[in-house]
Amino acid sequence: AAGVIQSPRHLIKEKRETATLKCYPIPRHDTVYWYQQGPGQDPQFLISFYEKMQSDKGSIPDRFSAQQFSDYHSELNMSSLELGDSALYFCASSLRQGDEQYFGPGTRLTVT
Amino acid sequence: KQEVTQIPAALSVPEGENLVLNCSFTDSAIYNLQWFRQDPGKGLTSLLLIQSSQREQTSGRLNASLDKSSGRSTLYIAASQPGDSATYLCAVYNNAGNMLTFGGGTRLMVKP
Repeated sequence: AAGVIQSPRHLIKEKRETATLKCYPIPRHDTVYWYQQGPGQDPQFLISFYEKMQSDKGSIPDRFSAQQFSDYHSELNMSSLELGDSALYFCASSLRQGDEQYFGPGTRLTVT
Repeated sequence: KQEVTQIPAALSVPEGENLVLNCSFTDSAIYNLQWFRQDPGKGLTSLLLIQSSQREQTSGRLNASLDKSSGRSTLYIAASQPGDSATYLCAVYNNAGNMLTFGGGTRLMVKP
């Protein structure tokens, strides 16, 4: 069965650079969620989209922005990267809002 | 703000033992509750989803229960195996079902 696809799987950036993470949800899933997991921490909700509209917002820095496109894939844009942004970034998708969330393998971002 | 707590933070047991992992949450107005497994540096594998109207779910050697009124869930693992060694995360859906709040996890080590 198709799963959530995230790219790239690993990304190394320097401070103050920008990064774009991509997420391709399971086919027919119209809701996408982004989470950030710092080293030794539990995942923290960043933002979610339903039918290409932002549906909820968590602890996402102003330096980050995200959107969901017409094909339902989503991109998380991160600017002015800081060392503290180094983390595992997960995308999840669900068939509808409130349904079970299926997680992708994550993108490991390292900021040096 | 929803807070999710998992006890114990770490657990080491001999192979074959039955064990219980605990999860508590402060706001009982949850949509669903989901248990995940995470291996070091890896993604999140969904184990069980319990809908708010359900009291328990079973999958193989795993059984999860939910008591919304008391804000508690337990994950029961029968006949533990070394391959069960991982971090187990409990996560609750907010009332709208569009974000997950995770607990800090229980790091399980099953010794042969």
